[in-house]
Amino acid sequence: GAVVSQHPSRVICKSGTSVKIECRSLDFQATTMFWYRQFPKQSLMLMATSNEGSKATYEQGVEKDKFLINHASLTLSTLTVTSAHPEDSSFYICSASTGGVLAKNIQYFGAGTRLSVL
Amino acid sequence: QKEVEQDPGPLSVPEGAIVSLNCTYSNSAFQYFMWYRQYSRKGPELLMYTYSSGNKEDGRFTAQVDKSSKYISLFIRDSQPSDSATYLCAMSPSGAGNKLTFGGGTRVLVKP
Repeated sequence: GAVVSQHPSRVICKSGTSVKIECRSLDFQATTMFWYRQFPKQSLMLMATSNEGSKATYEQGVEKDKFLINHASLTLSTLTVTSAHPEDSSFYICSASTGGVLAKNIQYFGAGTRLSVL
Repeated sequence: QKEVEQDPGPLSVPEGAIVSLNCTYSNSAFQYFMWYRQYSRKGPELLMYTYSSGNKEDGRFTAQVDKSSKYISLFIRDSQPSDSATYLCAMSPSGAGNKLTFGGGTRVLVKP
C-alpha cells in the first residue's frame, strides 16, 4: 500500500506553546488529507478535511483558530496546535487519499503523533 | 445513538480460532465499508474494503456486508498472536478516500 509519513511521532511541550505536525504522502499525490484525533481506547474522531490549495473544512466543534491546517502541496499537510493546553493532549493521526476512480480511491494513515502538553 | 456501533471487547481467543467481529450502523446512505487494524500507538492499516452488500475474501480475512440489516462482519481464520490489535470498522457514502465514519473499535487478543 501507499506510504504516509507523519512527524514527529511524539512531542512534549509546555502549556501555551504551539506545536506543528507534518503529514506527507511519500509515493503518491494526495489532493485530500484528513486529520483525526483519538483519545485512549476510543475511536478516531475526524477534525478536518484538507484539500490542496484551499481552506480546510472543520468538523463541528473543532476550533479552526486552535487547530491550523495548511495543505500547501499535493504531498504535504500540516496541523499546528496553537497555544496548546493540557486538554489538547491526545493522539493525532493524519490520512491521505490516493484519489482516482472511486474503487481505487483509498485513504492511507500515518503512524500518528502523541502530543503531551504539560 | 452513534451512527456506527461496535462492541469494544476485549475479545480473547486461542491461537488458531476464528475471530468474528461486527458493526451495526444506522445511516442507510453508507455504501462503502472498510475494516482497519490498529496496533497500539500506531495508525490504522486498511485490511478490507467492500462496496455494497456481499462477501469478500482475502487470505485469512473475510468481510461480509448485509445492507438490509445494516450489519457488517469481519472474520479472521487461523488467528495468530500477531493478529492481536484493535479492529475498526469504517463507512462512507462516497468512497474509502472520502470522509469516513468509524466504529469505536474492538480490541482482540489472540493467546498462544
